Amino acid sequence: GQQLNQSPQSMFIQEGEDVSMNCTSSSIFNTWLWYKQDPGEGPVLLIALYKAGELTSNGRLTAQFGITRKDSFLNISASIPSDVGIYFCAGQTSGSRLTFGEGTQLTVNP
Amino acid sequence: DVKVTQSSRYLVKRTGEKVFLECVQDMDHENMFWYRQDPGLGLRLIYFSYDVKMKEKGDIPEGYSVSREKKERFSLILESASTNQTSMYLCASIPPPGQGGVYGYTFGSGTRLTVV
Repeated sequence: GQQLNQSPQSMFIQEGEDVSMNCTSSSIFNTWLWYKQDPGEGPVLLIALYKAGELTSNGRLTAQFGITRKDSFLNISASIPSDVGIYFCAGQTSGSRLTFGEGTQLTVNP
Repeated sequence: DVKVTQSSRYLVKRTGEKVFLECVQDMDHENMFWYRQDPGLGLRLIYFSYDVKMKEKGDIPEGYSVSREKKERFSLILESASTNQTSMYLCASIPPPGQGGVYGYTFGSGTRLTVV
């Protein structure tokens, strides 16, 4: 099946730093999504991207849908302790089924 | 907001037991999914369902079955639990493409299952 390669697997940063993570695929996707999972909870949708080249922001979060439709990145600016969690990218071709990346574990030190 | 409720947050079961994980959504969504989450492996799809009494295998269906007798409820069944099924299980639902405009899943809070 389709696979998404998400990097980095983990990040340890200081509060106030900017963060960048990305996903790449050998397949083309029509939609890219980014989720955050807080400890002990299910993932929650952060940003959805629908067009190649699209750049979308949600507060301190910015995500882009790659021109080739095979990649996406997520940036978090001025990180704060509550940004801690696992971030997942997900791609969708047609229908409702999503393919997920392996996740990026983010730790923010105060 | 859509709510997806998983009946148990934590479960401990013995090897060989039959285990039922329940998931209920309150927004009349047709599409429901069961994933398991393991460190370093992300979310892997076990089974999904597009309608009542309809089911399709995902990427890792072995050792699992599902039941969708009512639209709002999607159950995951471990026929004979084994230690390698110790994991976090996540249920999700989504409206069909074209409804709502945002093609994102709504996830439940997860069930952490330990098989001993």
